[in-house]
Amino acid sequence: DVKVTQSSRYLVKRTGEKVFLECVQDMDHENMFWYRQDPGLGLRLIYFSYDVKMKEKGDIPEGYSVSREKKERFSLILESASTNQTSMYLCASSQAREQYFGPGTRLTVT
Amino acid sequence: QKEVEQNSGPLSVPEGAIASLNCTYSDRGSQSFFWYRQYSGKSPELIMFIYSNGDKEDGRFTAQLNKASQYVSLLIRDSQPSDSATYLCAVNYTGFQKLVFGTGTRLLVSP
Repeated sequence: DVKVTQSSRYLVKRTGEKVFLECVQDMDHENMFWYRQDPGLGLRLIYFSYDVKMKEKGDIPEGYSVSREKKERFSLILESASTNQTSMYLCASSQAREQYFGPGTRLTVT
Repeated sequence: QKEVEQNSGPLSVPEGAIASLNCTYSDRGSQSFFWYRQYSGKSPELIMFIYSNGDKEDGRFTAQLNKASQYVSLLIRDSQPSDSATYLCAVNYTGFQKLVFGTGTRLLVSP
């Protein structure tokens, strides 16, 4: 079974803080993705990576950066958290076309 | 702009009935199609994928694809209250590893 884990289920941060969200997969998948999910807006792709040290912008990369130093780990960084980044963050990985999701991190920025 | 459209629902069906969930997509270059189930507060879970025109069955679930009409559907037979969730349709376009997701259809199965 594919296993994707995320570092926290719930996180509360203050405006202006630097926030790190970590994602680890154990299936040696090439591709990893970060999404945010908001009511009425669905899943929106922030960044994805198809190889170590490679990254591509998704649909809403502003205010975020990513890091992939090892194949199994993909980190999402909020450089200076803002209240409009309060959301559910979902990590996914894939080897072919089907993606498998981690449990999600519900981030609240106050 | 590649789009995936779903009726937001809720779609209400009685226990034991067939639930039919529909999805349309905008780009004829679409290659692969996926159905995810998402319970409230949880992450999406892959339940079906289909690549070729026609039907694909897995237990109580059947995915149907019609590329000419740019239409994909999910049928759930013998619906159970535990099937109550939001169902997300996702489409993969040729040459891309990304998926484009619909906003989901909420299904309510009443006992």
